[in-house]
Amino acid sequence: AQSVAQPEDQVKVAEGNPLTVKCTYSVSGNPYLFWYVQYPNRGLQFLLKYITGDNLVKGSYGFEAEFNKSQTSFHLKKPSALVSDSALYFCAVRPMGGNKLTFGTGTQLKVEL
Amino acid sequence: DSGVTQTPKHLITATGQRVTLRCSPRSGDLSVYWYQQSLDQGLQFLIQYYNGEERAKGNILERFSAQQFPDLHSELNLSSLELGDSALYFCASAHRDSAGYEQFFGPGTRLTVL
Repeated sequence: AQSVAQPEDQVKVAEGNPLTVKCTYSVSGNPYLFWYVQYPNRGLQFLLKYITGDNLVKGSYGFEAEFNKSQTSFHLKKPSALVSDSALYFCAVRPMGGNKLTFGTGTQLKVEL
Repeated sequence: DSGVTQTPKHLITATGQRVTLRCSPRSGDLSVYWYQQSLDQGLQFLIQYYNGEERAKGNILERFSAQQFPDLHSELNLSSLELGDSALYFCASAHRDSAGYEQFFGPGTRLTVL
């Protein structure tokens, strides 16, 4: 069975500082990995995905994520955080050839002035 | 705006009742997914349809059912409702039924069972 772990319920950073939201996964075979963001009372918005190729993936709003196969991780990063980045972030995994997208429990990001 | 629409936005009903949630996918998307989001269970995959056919099942209760119609819109039916069914229900769509395609989520239907 596939699973995703987001070890931090909340991450706090100061505006302008770099941010990292952690994600590790477990899946049989090659993974497809995704990051989504959820603002209050809104649906999930797609940020970026890793399918194959370059381990560093760039996405929307200046976010990027690094796929590390040996550590089974897919951490979300941004060089300079904005207050408007404050939201709930979900990591998700789907095995190649699989139907089910499994989400982590989410990490609340709070960017403070 | 993802292009996925869901109605209604809010639904308040009583235990034992039955409700129907509706989803229209993005234009051209053949896959529709349903998810339930609650504080205690997180975001749970319920069921997937692709071009009218059921493709995958997740943690969907027997009291819940879904279908996808020829025009590709989908409905999630929840019956014999219990207090614990109160949650945010999301629909998502994707162009194809391939693991590499990202899913686009609708704004959700918030169900409150009293």
